[in-house]
Amino acid sequence: QKEVEQNSGPLSVPEGAIASLNCTYSDRVSQSFFWYRQYSGKSPELIMSIYSNGDKEDGRFTAQLNKASQYVSLLIRDSQPSDSATYLCAVNEVGNEKLTFGTGTRLTIIP
Amino acid sequence: DAGVIQSPRHEVTEMGQEVTLRCKPISGHNSLFWYRQTMMRGLELLIYFNNNVPIDDSGMPEDRFSAKMPNASFSTLKIQPSEPRDSAVYFCASSPQGGQPQHFGDGTRLSIL
Repeated sequence: QKEVEQNSGPLSVPEGAIASLNCTYSDRVSQSFFWYRQYSGKSPELIMSIYSNGDKEDGRFTAQLNKASQYVSLLIRDSQPSDSATYLCAVNEVGNEKLTFGTGTRLTIIP
Repeated sequence: DAGVIQSPRHEVTEMGQEVTLRCKPISGHNSLFWYRQTMMRGLELLIYFNNNVPIDDSGMPEDRFSAKMPNASFSTLKIQPSEPRDSAVYFCASSPQGGQPQHFGDGTRLSIL
C-alpha cells in the first residue's frame, strides 16, 4: 500500500516568513511529485511539479526532492495571507497514471 | 484555454434518486480521473480512464456507482440509488498522459438528503 504522509497542521507562519511544508512517501519507485494548493471550498490547483533530485524554484515557491530519503518539501518565501490554504502532496510511479495524495497540510499566514 | 468543466456545480437530491455528474476534460488530454473528497477521508480516486477506456475502478465504493467515457470529450459518473453517505465533493481531473500533472475541475458539491 503506497502511502504519502503530511503533517495535517495547522501550520501558522507570520507574514513575510518562510513556510516549510513536508511530505514523505513510502514507495521507492515513485517518479513524479506534485504540490497542489486548495483554498477552502475550491478545487486543488497545481503549483509545483518536480521529477529529479534537488531544488526547483518558481517565483516564491521552491520544491525540494530527496529520493534517497523519500521526501519532498515545499518552501514558500515571503509568505502572504493569500497563501493560507491546504497544501496537498501527490506522488506517482513510473507506468502508473494514478496519483497518491497526502491528506494535506493546512497553512495559515498570520498578518 | 478552457479547463476541466464539470456540471452541475451543486446538486441536492433525496435519498434513492439517481444522480449523474458530468465532466469535459481539457482538449487533448488522454487521461481522465474521478475523485471524491470528504473531510473524513480526504481526496479519494474513484476511477480513471485512458483514451476513453476504464483502467482502474478499484476505488469505486460499490455497485451503485458507475462511470462512462463515451468519447474523448465527455465522461459521466452516476450514482443509483443515492444514499446520504454519498454526500461529498466530486472532482474530475485530466492529464495529457501518465506521470504528468492532473488538472482539476471546479467540482460538484453533492448533498443527498
